[in-house]
Amino acid sequence: EDQVTQSPEALRLQEGESSSLNCSYTVSGLRGLFWYRQDPGKGPEFLFTLYSAGEEKEKERLKATLTKKESFLHITAPKPEDSATYLCAVRDNFNKFYFGSGTKLNVKP
Amino acid sequence: SQTIHQWPATLVQPVGSPLSLECTVEGTSNPNLYWYRQAAGRGLQLLFYSVGIGQISSEVPQNLSASRPQDRQFILSSKKLLLSDSGFYLCAWSGPFGGQETQYFGPGTRLLVL
Repeated sequence: EDQVTQSPEALRLQEGESSSLNCSYTVSGLRGLFWYRQDPGKGPEFLFTLYSAGEEKEKERLKATLTKKESFLHITAPKPEDSATYLCAVRDNFNKFYFGSGTKLNVKP
Repeated sequence: SQTIHQWPATLVQPVGSPLSLECTVEGTSNPNLYWYRQAAGRGLQLLFYSVGIGQISSEVPQNLSASRPQDRQFILSSKKLLLSDSGFYLCAWSGPFGGQETQYFGPGTRLLVL
């Protein structure tokens, strides 16, 4: 069965302390891996789409990478405003989306 | 550019009352539309998705239903709400299959059933 697992569930960082979030997946034919940011009480905000192993995307302090089994969201020198829950999702050959439970990131000043 | 709207933003309803949540998309045609529910601190659970007017697929058997009366309108309904229906309801759209693959979300509706 297709599934997505994110780790860690929660992460506390000091401002400027770089780290990575993990998303591992099993899917019947990957049609895209997606990263979202979700602030409390709001809908997920799209960050990146990755389609093939080796692909990388960057946006400000965030960089997403993809292998055949997992994706990483690297956060470089985070700031308090990067605090949010980060969600990972995959789309399979049957055009269904599967979401992980998210990583709650807290960046302290 | 595309925009997705949901209303109401928040709703408090008694057990056994009906429900109607609405979602509309602007700036695109023939989108795929989705309803998700997110329990507190949990991931997104896909409830329904639609590839066109009148075409609805249900992912989770329950007392909820969905309808798509127009190309860019998606409605989530219930005849009688349960306590377990409380949660954060999210509508999303993506391009038709083979097109824009990314899924975009609306602002959500917070539902509390008492």
